[in-house]
Amino acid sequence: EVQLVESGGGLVQPGGSLRLSCAASGFTFSSYWMSWVRQAPGKGLEWVANIKQDGSEKYYVDSVKGRFTISRDNAKNSLYLQMNSLRAEDTAVYYCARDTVEGVADDWGQGTLVTVSS
Amino acid sequence: EIVLTQSPATLSLSPGERATLSCRASQSVSSYLAWYQQKPGQAPRLLIYDASNRATGIPARFSGSGSGTDFTLTISSLEPEDFAVYYCQQRSNWPPTFGPGTKVDIK
Repeated sequence: EVQLVESGGGLVQPGGSLRLSCAASGFTFSSYWMSWVRQAPGKGLEWVANIKQDGSEKYYVDSVKGRFTISRDNAKNSLYLQMNSLRAEDTAVYYCARDTVEGVADDWGQGTLVTVSS
Repeated sequence: EIVLTQSPATLSLSPGERATLSCRASQSVSSYLAWYQQKPGQAPRLLIYDASNRATGIPARFSGSGSGTDFTLTISSLEPEDFAVYYCQQRSNWPPTFGPGTKVDIK
């Protein structure tokens, strides 16, 4: 059974940093693109970033470019999202997702809430 | 960025009825369109990818059609567990974008 478990969310002040982690199990992690998708409270979904199987390609939505960094450790079956210079508009539930093909998320974690507020 | 619009915003139906949800893209996305279901407090669940392919474990009452800019998700006979919000999503161009969602609620 595929399992994706996010951690690292919490309350942070504007301008602060957080690192999200996603522990994957139940599949060959190194064989899949992986993504982060977020959802602001009561709002729709936004694809934030994705990363190729070997980490050689990474893509970001414009709103987070230069502030967020996606990475992975295939030896630890883990996905990460380093978030710097956080803004109030980054407040959201952040989901880790496995891409069945690039850009199609077929398995999702339960999400971790990031709240940016003073 | 490709913009997706969904209609209607809310669909009020009874169990057993047929649901037809629409998604329109601001430019052609070929067949690179997916549909997701989301229930309150839960993560989205992939239903359909590449316009018409059902994801693993998705019941046959869910079907998708369309290409280019116009797409449809059909639920042939609503079950109680189908009342939820449905999002379309394109992967033709980066970034992948989602529509605003259609809420299917109980009439």
